Amino acid sequence: GAVVSQHPSWVICKSGTSVKIECRSLDFQATTMFWYRQFPKQSLMLMATSNEGSKATYEQGVEKDKFLINHASLTLSTLTVTSAHPEDSSFYICSTRDRGTDTQYFGPGTRLTVL
Amino acid sequence: DQQVKQNSPSLSVQEGRISILNCDYTNSMFDYFLWYKKYPAEGPTFLISISSIKDKNEDGRFTVFLNKSAKHLSLHIVPSQPGDSAVYFCAASASSGGSNYKLTFGKGTLLTVNP
Repeated sequence: GAVVSQHPSWVICKSGTSVKIECRSLDFQATTMFWYRQFPKQSLMLMATSNEGSKATYEQGVEKDKFLINHASLTLSTLTVTSAHPEDSSFYICSTRDRGTDTQYFGPGTRLTVL
Repeated sequence: DQQVKQNSPSLSVQEGRISILNCDYTNSMFDYFLWYKKYPAEGPTFLISISSIKDKNEDGRFTVFLNKSAKHLSLHIVPSQPGDSAVYFCAASASSGGSNYKLTFGKGTLLTVNP
């Protein structure tokens, strides 16, 4: 399967600061990447679909001004949590789609803790 | 409205026996189904998938069965090994209708394989 990396793997920040999470597709060019969030003991919830060279598509209830997504190249998408608050503390995971099989391959995730 | 349901939050089996994980869906537009395995604080790992044009797909110890009329799929693991202990997520996507191949996940089933 595809190799997807995320950086950082964990981050602790103060309330009100912004945090950037990077997602890289290491072995193929990904025109589409997805960003998910998982709260403890819950399922993965899709936040947005990141399209290379165009604006991201956000799911209902996800604030696009708070969760900024940039997909500037075929191998890199970034998620910036702006003015983070404790309720934004979660596990953020990205994925890339293999167009040949429509399978999504996931990164290792980023644990965000906002104090 | 939960479109993908995994009604068993947990399952415990003995090593060497068969593990059967079940998943139901409600959206008739779903045409591609996947199973992922997930450890705590890690991203999901792709296991196996099945297209709606098939009713069975096998890969080593893992077999996925799809019953379209019942909107039900299952993952069989045989023989089960202690290393299979993890949370298993069922996911589904629709290739048409402007869905952009996004995945809808179930809530997961915690599988414990006892030595």
